Amino acid sequence: GAVVSQHPSWVICKSGTSVKIECRSLDFQATTMFWYRQFPKQSLMLMATSNEGSKATYEQGVEKDKFLINHASLTLSTLTVTSAHPEDSSFYICSARDRGIRTEAFFGQGTRLTVV
Amino acid sequence: DAKTTQPPSMDCAEGRAANLPCNHSTISGNEYVYWYRQIHSQGPQYIIHGLKNNETNEMASLIITEDRKSSTLILPHATLRDTAVYYCIVPYNNNDMRFGAGTRLTVKP
Repeated sequence: GAVVSQHPSWVICKSGTSVKIECRSLDFQATTMFWYRQFPKQSLMLMATSNEGSKATYEQGVEKDKFLINHASLTLSTLTVTSAHPEDSSFYICSARDRGIRTEAFFGQGTRLTVV
Repeated sequence: DAKTTQPPSMDCAEGRAANLPCNHSTISGNEYVYWYRQIHSQGPQYIIHGLKNNETNEMASLIITEDRKSSTLILPHATLRDTAVYYCIVPYNNNDMRFGAGTRLTVKP
């Protein structure tokens, strides 16, 4: 399957600082990328959907000013958690969908964020 | 909310076939059924997807009922490494990748 690379795999940051997570499609062009958050023993919760060159569409209850999403190219999307707090500690996962005929989305390996 | 319902957990004996059901009674005519699995602390892994016909690949088979209101993922010879949470997804308009609770499959020796 296609490869989606997410970086970093884990990060620890101090409360009040910002953290940027990168999601890259390595061998295909992704017109659509999805960002998820997953708490322990829970399913993935969709945070936002972003299309290349457009503003992201955020799910209800997700603060767009806190979780900044940029999808500036067909191979890169970034999620920035601004002014992070301990309750933002979670597993963040991105996925990307090919612009071609394939319709399945492929997922990154996830980023474990711990805010102390 | 996800458009699918799955049993919360299932067990399967190693070497036997694992049959994971999924109900998607509100599926629309052009919406695909996707299956993913997630092994602990990793990103979900794509398994298979289909529209109307049954599908098979190197990982699994997907059986979709004629009315498309349900499907079954079949792992023909389950191994211990197949222990994971399996998610059946029907994206709204093929673009809304929401996850339900999934089925936790435990393969036992």
